[in-house]
Amino acid sequence: AQSVTQLGSHVSVSEGALVLLRCNYSSSVPPYLFWYVQYPNQGLQLLLKYTSAATLVKGINGFEAEFKKSETSFHLTKPSAHMSDAAEYFCAVRMAGTASKLTFGTGTRLQVTL
Amino acid sequence: EAQVTQNPRYLITVTGKKLTVTCSQNMNHEYMSWYRQDPGLGLRQIYYSMNVEVTDKGDVPEGYKVSRKEKRNFPLILESPSPNQTSLYFCASSTSGRSEQYFGPGTRLTVT
Repeated sequence: AQSVTQLGSHVSVSEGALVLLRCNYSSSVPPYLFWYVQYPNQGLQLLLKYTSAATLVKGINGFEAEFKKSETSFHLTKPSAHMSDAAEYFCAVRMAGTASKLTFGTGTRLQVTL
Repeated sequence: EAQVTQNPRYLITVTGKKLTVTCSQNMNHEYMSWYRQDPGLGLRQIYYSMNVEVTDKGDVPEGYKVSRKEKRNFPLILESPSPNQTSLYFCASSTSGRSEQYFGPGTRLTVT
């Protein structure tokens, strides 16, 4: 069965510092991978997705993620954190050929401090 | 505006009292799903639907029912709610199995 692991349920960074949120998946074939963001009291919004095209994927709000097959990872990064980035971030995986079967990680809450 | 809507947004009910949470999308999406979000567990899929009259169980379907009689609507039914169904529920839709899902704003359900 597919699974997603997000290391670190809480991550705190200073404003202007690098943001790194980790995501590893388990799969024998390359899946489709997604990062979603959830702001307080809101639904989930897509940040970016990997669907077997370029391994470096750029998303909204300056975020990007790199698919590394050898490490089965899809870590999310942003060079410089902003206060508005404070939210919960979810990595999700969908296996190729499994329509609508989206498996989410447990989420990482990002705190940005002054 | 393209969106997924859910109603109600907040609901407090008692054990055993049947309830329905509605979900509607205006994007002509074929795929729709229901998730529940619990602290430390992320989002878990309850049911999904690939098209009208086509539904299937997700990871945590026990205690829930769904129906898909129209393409735009995908209601979630709790016939006899229990306190362990207290959670935040999200409906989502997508065009196909490869595309990203668009989420509704969520329904916070409390069962006492």
